[in-house]
Amino acid sequence: KAGVTQTPRYLIKTRGQQVTLSCSPISGHRSVSWYQQTPGQGLQFLFEYFSETQRNKGNFPGRFSGRQFSNSRSEMNVSTLELGDSALYLCASIEGKQNTEAFFGQGTRLTVV
Amino acid sequence: AQSVSQHNHHVILSEAASLELGCNYSYGGTVNLFWYVQYPGQHLQLLLKYFSGDPLVKGIKGFEAEFIKSKFSFNLRKPSVQWSDTAEYFCAVNPLTYKYIFGTGTRLKVLA
Repeated sequence: KAGVTQTPRYLIKTRGQQVTLSCSPISGHRSVSWYQQTPGQGLQFLFEYFSETQRNKGNFPGRFSGRQFSNSRSEMNVSTLELGDSALYLCASIEGKQNTEAFFGQGTRLTVV
Repeated sequence: AQSVSQHNHHVILSEAASLELGCNYSYGGTVNLFWYVQYPGQHLQLLLKYFSGDPLVKGIKGFEAEFIKSKFSFNLRKPSVQWSDTAEYFCAVNPLTYKYIFGTGTRLKVLA
């Protein structure tokens, strides 16, 4: 079956702009999580959606937001970009049951200049 | 706060050397435990997972990990590394929610 698809793969934006990233989970998976990966920080949890509802949120400012659609596809939005937002943004797809693992997309590399 | 500690940030080994990467977590309840690997330019892939049962779990590519509940540890091991094991390794804990808590990662470089 198809894996987790994230688009775009690469983005370059300037400070102050906003950006929208997209994630299509594995077919049948209802939970989508977003993570920010930076060198030395590992993966920091942003938020998690299940059936169009945000169930968990990490410690990120309100400039980071997301949503999930009825087909489980998810988008995350970052407004008023800062240089420190440069990172690899990863989407994780989870079936939605307990005791299952997360499957990751290849990520979107965001560079803020 | 829940956290995961990976003690080794960078590890350099020669081929055929043995590997052990440490992982400790802070959470008192039941957890699911994972090791993920990220090869250069590739997405995170699951190496192995622990949900319950035998605390010694075997994963892909000859990796194994041991869950020691009393030590809150889930160390990754491989008896003999190969050049192709060069990658970044992440320990992750899932406290039975849909939030995964990751360690900061260990970059492994295997010299041919």
